[in-house]
Amino acid sequence: AQSVTQPDIHITVSEGASLELRCNYSYGATPYLFWYVQSPGQGLQLLLKYFSGDTLVQGIKGFEAEFKRSQSSFNLRKPSVHWSDAAEYFCAVAGRSGGGADGLTFGKGTHLIIQP
Amino acid sequence: NAGVTQTPKFRILKIGQSMTLQCTQDMNHNYMYWYRQDPGMGLKLIYYSVGAGITDKGEVPNGYNVSRSTTEDFPLRLELAAPSQTSVYFCASSYGGRGETQYFGPGTRLLVL
Repeated sequence: AQSVTQPDIHITVSEGASLELRCNYSYGATPYLFWYVQSPGQGLQLLLKYFSGDTLVQGIKGFEAEFKRSQSSFNLRKPSVHWSDAAEYFCAVAGRSGGGADGLTFGKGTHLIIQP
Repeated sequence: NAGVTQTPKFRILKIGQSMTLQCTQDMNHNYMYWYRQDPGMGLKLIYYSVGAGITDKGEVPNGYNVSRSTTEDFPLRLELAAPSQTSVYFCASSYGGRGETQYFGPGTRLLVL
């Protein structure tokens, strides 16, 4: 069964500093992986996704993520954060934790706080 | 395009009451989904639909019902509200299934007292 683990519940970063959010997944085959961002009181917006090919994927808002099969990881990075990046970040894998291909299985999220 | 719209934005229910959460998308997507988000727990799939007239259970379907009579609409029904159904509900849609980008609505916050 699929599962996603985001080890960090909260992360605090200074504005202008680099960011890395961790994501580990459990999936039997080649995973379809996603990062979504949720601003306060809003729905989720896709940042980027990985299916196959180049293991470094670029997304919107200057984010990138690297797929590492050997580590079952899909970490999200940004070289320099802005105050507007403060939000909740979710990693997800396509498929349901109870089985089946449709829907997404989400991690519990990482709350990003930006210090001025 | 409005994308995915949800109504109401917020609702308070008494235990045992029923209600329908509305979801509409104008992107002609085949797939639609309902998720619930509880604090610190991420999102969990309740039900989904692969097209008009076809629905299936997700991870946490108990206490909910759905129907899909048109491509655009995918309402979620709570028949006998319970405090455990206090949550934020998100509707999403996608053109295809596995691997396609899901587009989310703004959510409905439900409080059951």
